[in-house]
Amino acid sequence: EPEVTQTPSHQVTQMGQEVILRCVPISNHLYFYWYRQILGQKVEFLVSFYNNEISEKSEIFDDQFSVERPDGSNFTLKIRSTKLEDSAMYFCASSEAINQPQHFGDGTRLSIL
Amino acid sequence: AQTVTQSQPEMSVQEAETVTLSCTYDTSESNYYLFWYKQPPSRQMILVIRQEAYKQQNATENRFSVNFQKAAKSFSLKISDSQLGDTAMYFCAFIATQGGSEKLVFGKGTKLTVNP
Repeated sequence: EPEVTQTPSHQVTQMGQEVILRCVPISNHLYFYWYRQILGQKVEFLVSFYNNEISEKSEIFDDQFSVERPDGSNFTLKIRSTKLEDSAMYFCASSEAINQPQHFGDGTRLSIL
Repeated sequence: AQTVTQSQPEMSVQEAETVTLSCTYDTSESNYYLFWYKQPPSRQMILVIRQEAYKQQNATENRFSVNFQKAAKSFSLKISDSQLGDTAMYFCAFIATQGGSEKLVFGKGTKLTVNP
């Protein structure tokens, strides 16, 4: 069965550094998403992406964050000038169409030191 | 704004028994989808089951079934014949179909432990 794949599985970064989290969505999916889960808390929506542009974003997704689909397969989340509170599990998801089930990757655990 | 509430932070069940996880939600939308996702200790998020609000029939997926009460805005998950591999966090999630919103709204989760 097709899967969403995320790399790396764990990223450790010094505070203030930039980090790029990578995702390869399922190949025939058109909608891509990033979610965040701070340890012990609920999963929170960050951003959705369709047709090479952001279609919806949450209040969490400020100027520190950006997303990109640099080629036909990858979908990236860039976090500039990381802060301690950015430490979380970041999940990428994709879906065939709006309101179709979103399929999640295994997540990237981001630790900011 | 939509909210999803899971009132049971933790539950446990004996292997082979049946357990029901509760979820309520609040929305003014009339058309929406509800989901249950499972997150085992490995941390991946796995879709368990989906319910479309306009369908009266409760969704089932093998040992997993839901009790969807639209008027009460309730969406509980029943796991029959519980297995050790069912041990996980279970998240209830909502997505509205009107207005073009694409975000899943999650509850805080219920930690289910299946005991041998």
